[in-house]
Amino acid sequence: AQSVTQLGSHVSVSEGALVLLRCNYSSSVPPYLFWYVQYPNQGLQLLLKYTTGATLVKGINGFEAEFKKSETSFHLTKPSAHMSDEAEYFCAVSDLSGGGADGLTFGKGTHLIIQP
Amino acid sequence: KAGVTQTPRYLIKTRGQQVTLSCSPISGHRSVSWYQQTPGQGLQFLFEYFSETQRNKGNFPGRFSGRQFSNSRSEMNVSTLELGDSALYLCASSARLAGGTRETQYFGPGTRLLVL
Repeated sequence: AQSVTQLGSHVSVSEGALVLLRCNYSSSVPPYLFWYVQYPNQGLQLLLKYTTGATLVKGINGFEAEFKKSETSFHLTKPSAHMSDEAEYFCAVSDLSGGGADGLTFGKGTHLIIQP
Repeated sequence: KAGVTQTPRYLIKTRGQQVTLSCSPISGHRSVSWYQQTPGQGLQFLFEYFSETQRNKGNFPGRFSGRQFSNSRSEMNVSTLELGDSALYLCASSARLAGGTRETQYFGPGTRLLVL
């Protein structure tokens, strides 16, 4: 079975500061990893994904994440936070690029708060 | 391309009633998955439909069912509603490759169901 752990249900950073959202996964097969963002009263928007190949993945809105197999991690970063980044962020894992038999397995989410 | 659309966006029902939610996938996507999002349990996979057939199912009671039409639109039905069914129900669509592998899932805005 796969699982995802997101450290910190809430993360607060100042505008312009580095954003770091942590995600660790457990998978018995080579994983496919995703970060989704959810703004209030909206669905999930794909930020970025890792399937195979380069371990540093760049996504939309200046976000990137690095797949580290030895650490079973897929942390999300952004060099400079913007007020518009305030949202809920979900890390997800699957055994296929679009979700295996159990669909995508999501973490509990991290609410990113941007302080002016 | 238009994104995934879900109707209605909001619903209020009472215990014991049944409800039907609708999802129209991105044009060309034939796989539709449903997820339930609650504050306590987070995002959980309900089921997936592809080519009008349920392909995968999460760990939910039989009160939760769905179907898919020939145009790939999908409906989800919950019978005998319980208070705990109050949630945001998200639909995601994806393409499937010739070998059956599902591509990245793209989410709709969700239907927020409140059971009183």
